[in-house]
Amino acid sequence: DAKTTQPNSMESNEEEPVHLPCNHSTISGTDYIHWYRQLPSQGPEYVIHGLTSNVNNRMASLAIAEDRKSSTLILHRATLRDAAVYYCILAFTNDYKLSFGAGTTVTVRA
Amino acid sequence: DTGVSQDPRHKITKRGQNVTFRCDPISEHNRLYWYRQTLGQGPEFLTYFQNEAQLEKSRLLSDRFSAERPKGSFSTLEIQRTEQGDSAMYLCASSLLASGGYEQYFGPGTRLTVT
Repeated sequence: DAKTTQPNSMESNEEEPVHLPCNHSTISGTDYIHWYRQLPSQGPEYVIHGLTSNVNNRMASLAIAEDRKSSTLILHRATLRDAAVYYCILAFTNDYKLSFGAGTTVTVRA
Repeated sequence: DTGVSQDPRHKITKRGQNVTFRCDPISEHNRLYWYRQTLGQGPEFLTYFQNEAQLEKSRLLSDRFSAERPKGSFSTLEIQRTEQGDSAMYLCASSLLASGGYEQYFGPGTRLTVT
């Protein structure tokens, strides 16, 4: 399985943007880049996914490097509710089974 | 709109006992996944179903574990002869292939404690 590397933790102030980096240098052509987050005491929650082009949705934006070896999840205005563990995951298009790493713990200061 | 539900939410059992967990996916979802999460770690894939067919099992799923999805609806995960190392949160997720299949909806999990 292709692996991802993320920082262990990041801190942000409320209403400021958060940029979460992810390295995936061994990504294959059939791997989509997925982001999930897990709030305390809850199951993971889908955030966004992409293949080659940058993607935007109501929760976040995903910026994918041209060589696809890295990506950045962008939370445009962090709120206290965004405090969670964020996972960057590569998933093969046929089965989408998710291989979670340790993720990045995001702390948002009021 | 009901999400993925899991039952029970908590289970305490003695080593050597058998336990069974149930997952009810979102009703029209044809894919169902089981994951296991230990404290401080991300979830680990265990197995997944497409309708009633079990398409893949992780090597983490020893012979003591069995999962079923009769009629392609709810699923059960049984652990026989539980060991202390089985203590974890067991998460179920479902997705809809017709919508691309990429977004998995997770349930709240069943927390298993083996004493």
